[in-house]
Amino acid sequence: QVQLVESGGGLVKPGGSLRLSCAASGFRLSDYYMSWIRQTPERGLEWVSYISSSGSLIFYADSVRGRFTISRDNAKNSLYLQMNSLRAEDTAFYYCARDLRPMSREGWFDPWGQGTLITVSS
Amino acid sequence: EVVLTQSPATLSLSPGERATLSCRASQSISNYLAWYQQKPGQAPRLLIYESSKRATGIPARFSGSGSGTDFSLTISSLEPEDFAMYYCQQCSIWPPFTFGPGTKVDMK
Repeated sequence: QVQLVESGGGLVKPGGSLRLSCAASGFRLSDYYMSWIRQTPERGLEWVSYISSSGSLIFYADSVRGRFTISRDNAKNSLYLQMNSLRAEDTAFYYCARDLRPMSREGWFDPWGQGTLITVSS
Repeated sequence: EVVLTQSPATLSLSPGERATLSCRASQSISNYLAWYQQKPGQAPRLLIYESSKRATGIPARFSGSGSGTDFSLTISSLEPEDFAMYYCQQCSIWPPFTFGPGTKVDMK
């Protein structure tokens, strides 16, 4: 059964840091591009970052470039998002999501994890 | 950045009725459009990709169409479990991948 499980969310002060993890199971992580996507009631769904299957190609939304770092450890079947210099506007549910098809760079997201909540507040 | 607009914001229908949701892109995206369903407390689920292809396990009552800038998602006969939020998303011109603001299908 294909599954993604995020962890690492919580309450953090503005300017602080947090590292999210996404544990993959039921498929070979090394075959797939992966994404982080966030969601708030105000801004809806917002794509955050995208990483190639090997980790050699990485893309970021302008809103997080220079503050967030996506990475992966295929041997551990895990995806990560290091978030630094956090701002109130980073408050959101964060989802990891897999590309639909292996060995392709497409941007159809399926499946998604259940999400983890980040709250940035003093 | 490709901006996606969805209409209507809310669609109030009864079970058994037909639902038609629209998504418009600010520039041509060919057929690089997906539809997702999200229920309260759950993550989005891929329904349709490449404008008209159903994802694995998605019932045939869901269909997608369109190309260029105008797209639609049709639910031929609403089941009780179909009342949810629906989002469109493009992967033609990226980064960034972009999503529409969503259409809520609720029960009349």
